[in-house]
Amino acid sequence: GNSVTQMEGPVTLSEEAFLTINCTYTATGYPSLFWYVQYPGEGLQLLLKATKADDKGSNKGFEATYRKETTSFHLEKGSVQVSDSAVYFCALSDIETTDSWGKLQFGAGTQVVVTP
Amino acid sequence: EAQVTQNPRYLITVTGKKLTVTCSQNMNHEYMSWYRQDPGLGLRQIYYSMNVEVTDKGDVPEGYKVSRKEKRNFPLILESPSPNQTSLYFCASSLGATGGVHNSPLHFGNGTRLTVT
Repeated sequence: GNSVTQMEGPVTLSEEAFLTINCTYTATGYPSLFWYVQYPGEGLQLLLKATKADDKGSNKGFEATYRKETTSFHLEKGSVQVSDSAVYFCALSDIETTDSWGKLQFGAGTQVVVTP
Repeated sequence: EAQVTQNPRYLITVTGKKLTVTCSQNMNHEYMSWYRQDPGLGLRQIYYSMNVEVTDKGDVPEGYKVSRKEKRNFPLILESPSPNQTSLYFCASSLGATGGVHNSPLHFGNGTRLTVT
């Protein structure tokens, strides 16, 4: 079956540092890939997505590139702020069959803590 | 304001006492889903609905029921809650079912923290 593996957290770093969160996946078809972010006390919200190989999703200074050869979708940001402290979830949606259309598979989440 | 509203935000109950967590969206979304979030496990899908009167099991449906009688509401029912259903629950919706959930982003509610003693 499909699965998403993320690096474990928490990841603690200083303001203006470079952030990378690793995400790898297994899928039987051709998935779309997503990063969702969860701020404290809130629900998740979409950060960025990519729907095919070599696509780059970007938003709010975050980027992730869909790498089919390494089955990865790592999230990066060049200079983090305290306001980026949150839990980040990698997710995939596989459209190979209609059975999978309604299913979004999430990773375990990576907590990021940015200190001033 | 476009939103997904869950109620209650917090709920403490006892084993076996039936409960319902409500979910309502005001965006005319076709797709709705319930997830539970547990430490180290991320979000796991309980049930989802592609449209009115259409519901399907997710990855962890045991012990839960849902209904989709109207487009805006998608309640989660626990007929006989047990302590292993203590968790943080999220309802989510998305615009279209065409082509699947990957075509349009999920909008999440703020969660319901359930404790079953």
